[in-house]
Amino acid sequence: QLQLQESGPGLVKPSETLSLTCTVSGDSISNSSYYWAWIRQPPGKGLEWIGNIYYGGSTYYNPSLKSRVAMSVDTSTNQFSLNLSSVTAADTAVYYCARYVIVANSVDSWGQGTLVTVSS
Amino acid sequence: SYELTQPPSVSVSPGQTASITCSGDKLGNKYVCWYQQKPGQSPVVVIYQDTKRPSGIPVRFSGSNSGDSATLIISGTQAMDEADYYCQAWDSSTVVFGGGTRLAVL
Repeated sequence: QLQLQESGPGLVKPSETLSLTCTVSGDSISNSSYYWAWIRQPPGKGLEWIGNIYYGGSTYYNPSLKSRVAMSVDTSTNQFSLNLSSVTAADTAVYYCARYVIVANSVDSWGQGTLVTVSS
Repeated sequence: SYELTQPPSVSVSPGQTASITCSGDKLGNKYVCWYQQKPGQSPVVVIYQDTKRPSGIPVRFSGSNSGDSATLIISGTQAMDEADYYCQAWDSSTVVFGGGTRLAVL
């Protein structure tokens, strides 16, 4: 059974870089049928897509975040990661990692989410 | 950038049919999926590729998509269907979410 687990600091200072890792179990991150995604949700607000990454390293980013986002994938550890630089309080959110089914154009599995607060 | 618009809230009586719309330019030319999110939980896909239901999703959930609008239909709505619903599409190599609709079962 597929499981995705986010990990990383729950508190980040303004202007610093938010770094999260998603560990995938129950499937190979090298499966060519999927992208691996980061999606966030500010408290009390809607879902915002951050980006997708393919196992080969191709990336697709939300244009509104593109200048601050970097995603990477490590097939040896079955993990993928998110770096979001120059964070502000507006980046406070629950961050989800997820599996995106390419042919279906939808997410079929989500992590439990991790709350990241940006505060000094 | 591409935008998807949903009504902020919809209310329905138990046993009745709920319809939640999602509008976007030429949306009928794209695949749309719908997610259900209950408080404190991760979203769950209830409809993908406009009309398909994943395994385990009740048959009362259905979808349509044509023109500039997609619709999620919940027939015989139950109290357990009270949740936030988000539409999502793929446009120009980006994933776009609608703003979400809170479904109240009153």
